[in-house]
Amino acid sequence: AQSVTQLDSHVSVSEGTPVLLRCNYSSSYSPSLFWYVQHPNKGLQLLLKYTSAATLVKGINGFEAEFKKSETSFHLTKPSAHMSDAAEYFCVVSYSGGYQKVTFGTGTKLQVIP
Amino acid sequence: SAVISQKPSRDICQRGTSLTIQCQVDSQVTMMFWYRQQPGQSLTLIATANQGSEATYESGFVIDKFPISRPNLTFSTLTVSNMSPEDSSIYLCSVKGQGSEQYFGPGTRLTVT
Repeated sequence: AQSVTQLDSHVSVSEGTPVLLRCNYSSSYSPSLFWYVQHPNKGLQLLLKYTSAATLVKGINGFEAEFKKSETSFHLTKPSAHMSDAAEYFCVVSYSGGYQKVTFGTGTKLQVIP
Repeated sequence: SAVISQKPSRDICQRGTSLTIQCQVDSQVTMMFWYRQQPGQSLTLIATANQGSEATYESGFVIDKFPISRPNLTFSTLTVSNMSPEDSSIYLCSVKGQGSEQYFGPGTRLTVT
């Protein structure tokens, strides 16, 4: 069984300050982990993915995430928030089985204050 | 990454009617997925659609309510049948990328009155 927990439903940061969105996972197998972003009334966009290569993964728009097996975490960070980062972010876990089923976290809504 | 389009982008329907949502991909893919995103919620997988076989439904979803077609490797439809206001959601299709990531269509926003 696999699951993912996003620890914060809402995060508010000031423009120019760091962003931290927290995600913990549970998987019986070697997981693949992803972060997606969904802007209001828009589709889902893949930000970055971890698939058992480097533990520090760099994505688009300056985001990165670090896979920590000992902590079963995959937190998303960005050094400096921009107004355009305001959106909902989903942490997703998949495992390398043949079925390729993914499980979505409940989402974290990021607010960026000017 | 695949480019995915969905039709319609949004619709308002009366209860008791049915709506068929189309999903078109710009390349041939084996697996396509249908998700539901209820207002303010995360995504829930409805079913997996493989070409040439019956769709596989997740717990809580049945074929009579959400029939799916997959006639070829670039196209799929999801029908929401006998709709009620509780079916008001965004419906998204997705395809698996070369790795284990998925790419999503823009979604169909359905409102049932």
